[in-house]
Amino acid sequence: EIMLTQSPAILSLSPGERATLSCRASQSVRSFLAWFQQKPGQAPRLLIFDASNRATGTPARFSGSGSGTDFTLTISSLEPEDFAVYFCQQRYNWPLTFGGGTKVEIK
Amino acid sequence: EVQLVESGGDLVAPGGSLRLSCVASGFTFSSYNMDWIRQAPGKGLEWVSHITSNSDTTHYADSVRGRFTVSRDNAKDSLYLQMNSLRAEDTAVYYCVRNWNGRNDYWGQGNLVTVSS
Repeated sequence: EIMLTQSPAILSLSPGERATLSCRASQSVRSFLAWFQQKPGQAPRLLIFDASNRATGTPARFSGSGSGTDFTLTISSLEPEDFAVYFCQQRYNWPLTFGGGTKVEIK
Repeated sequence: EVQLVESGGDLVAPGGSLRLSCVASGFTFSSYNMDWIRQAPGKGLEWVSHITSNSDTTHYADSVRGRFTVSRDNAKDSLYLQMNSLRAEDTAVYYCVRNWNGRNDYWGQGNLVTVSS
């Protein structure tokens, strides 16, 4: 099973600041990595697929990068609606696995 | 508009059974693979099972293999999860999720299953 480790667990930032979230895989997942955003009481929403492709409706301020074992989700300038929990997920092999999440909170 | 609506969640005693359903609309259900993904209260996400569009292949997490069975009825645009021998650690919100070429692009609103005596 491929383990995904997200860091930091909590990121405290102000609106307008840049957010950088990390996801590290225990073995290479090539580019088969996705990022999801989840707000309280809501289902997760796909933001980025295959490491760097924005899903339909994902604002341009969200970008993904990386391949192999190290991945980054960057939010260039935080909007109030971006404060949420973010999960990474690999689909390179079974079982699909998720990282533990990074909570982006208002400082 | 793509919609996935789960139902069937309930409070059940340990060792009991439950069947979750998910009705899809807004897309050609029979053309898509589907997943069940769960989230224990206050915890992260855990993939549970996968079924291909024509039901020829299924996959399960080790934690549920032998106890849960995924199935679908394309004529009814419906996905199911039969859960047997339920344990306290199966308590979670269960999401029905579309799988588009490996990407989980649409999620239902979730359905709570509580396993407790």
